[in-house]
Amino acid sequence: GIQVEQSPPDLILQEGANSTLQCNFSDSVNNLQWFHQNPWGQLINLFYIPSGTKQNGRLSATTVATERYSLLYISSSQTTDSGVYFCAVGNDYKLSFGAGTTVTVRA
Amino acid sequence: NAGVTQTPKFQVLKTGQSMTLQCAQDMNHNSMYWYRQDPGMGLRLIYYSASEGTTDKGEVPNGYNVSRLNKREFSLRLESAAPSQTSVYFCASKKDRYEAFFGQGTRLTVV
Repeated sequence: GIQVEQSPPDLILQEGANSTLQCNFSDSVNNLQWFHQNPWGQLINLFYIPSGTKQNGRLSATTVATERYSLLYISSSQTTDSGVYFCAVGNDYKLSFGAGTTVTVRA
Repeated sequence: NAGVTQTPKFQVLKTGQSMTLQCAQDMNHNSMYWYRQDPGMGLRLIYYSASEGTTDKGEVPNGYNVSRLNKREFSLRLESAAPSQTSVYFCASKKDRYEAFFGQGTRLTVV
């Protein structure tokens, strides 16, 4: 199956800081999503981004499919951004997850 | 619009007991999935159903069975629960290769 590596595994930020999370994958894909798992365990869809760049408020994401990586940018971080960020990739039906990046934003 | 609904939200089982986790989606999606999440790990695929009437094994299918009851519903059954099956279970659905949506999860403890 497709291998998904996320880095860094843990990130501690001061409120207001910017950060970049990375997702590398081992094979070509036609599906890539970023999720935020909040402290209550809910998985929240952030981006569906198999290629290109998207922005939603303080979050943006870029996927370079030919080089098999995706980046998630968090700007002006807030305490509500805390949680685990997952990258998931796949082709057609299957979706494989990375181990996640745990983000802690301190006030 | 409820999205993906899982029942129950919490369950405690004794070793050897059986149970069925229920999942229903109202988005008219073709594909449905069951994942498990263990502490400090990402989600691992147990089984999936690409369309009504089909099911296939994922990464970790041992100890589980599934039924795609109709287009809306996809259930996961544990025939004889083991402590190693203590986990959080997520159901998801998606339309073809597009965006997947997840339920709120079922926290299962096997003692």
